[in-house]
Amino acid sequence: DSGVTQTPKHLITATGQRVTLRCSPRSGDLSVYWYQQSLDQGLQFLIQYYNGEERAKGNILERFSAQQFPDLHSELNLSSLELGDSALYFCASSPRTSGTLNEQFFGPGTRLTVL
Amino acid sequence: DQQVKQNSPSLSVQEGRISILNCDYTNSMFDYFLWYKKYPAEGPTFLISISSIKDKNEDGRFTVFLNKSAKHLSLHIVPSQPGDSAVYFCAASGWNSGNTPLVFGKGTRLSVIA
Repeated sequence: DSGVTQTPKHLITATGQRVTLRCSPRSGDLSVYWYQQSLDQGLQFLIQYYNGEERAKGNILERFSAQQFPDLHSELNLSSLELGDSALYFCASSPRTSGTLNEQFFGPGTRLTVL
Repeated sequence: DQQVKQNSPSLSVQEGRISILNCDYTNSMFDYFLWYKKYPAEGPTFLISISSIKDKNEDGRFTVFLNKSAKHLSLHIVPSQPGDSAVYFCAASGWNSGNTPLVFGKGTRLSVIA
């Protein structure tokens, strides 16, 4: 158990809909990262927050947004969903923003299926 | 453009033998490298890391080797056990190049056969 929790575990929805994925980081970790893993693909970095502020941005679509709240939990919002958005979405947390000994610890993921 | 490449999608090894997983990178600003292990239906789990000031780091059965001139790293598992069967991801970051997040390879699926 990494200490990172994600809800829900599974989500099935229809095209055009909007969903919210939730992540609670490990106790004491200030950074939260979101990743997308599509079929047979590696982990694609979406976005990072550090202590409530956006810190780094990857290939995140404009239809997707995220935020980190004062209690450090984070939410990833996916809107106008398309079939291609079906994937595993992982959240990870780490103590700092970057650097050595700043390993990211991953949650179990949310499997999103868009029908 | 893939900055971190794991060219072998899969690898089969007999129990008790050595498993060698390889990873190449292209970004010379990367100076911290990590390996993660992932079982089905779980998130990736941190395994071992190495910074560019070292060329080897060992933790039990797991050793990571870094060849900076070749921009290549490898993970050795000795001896391999059936419980090591998982997907292994190589990841890299550059701590002094801004807030560079981890860049992951696509993974290598290791099967350890009893």
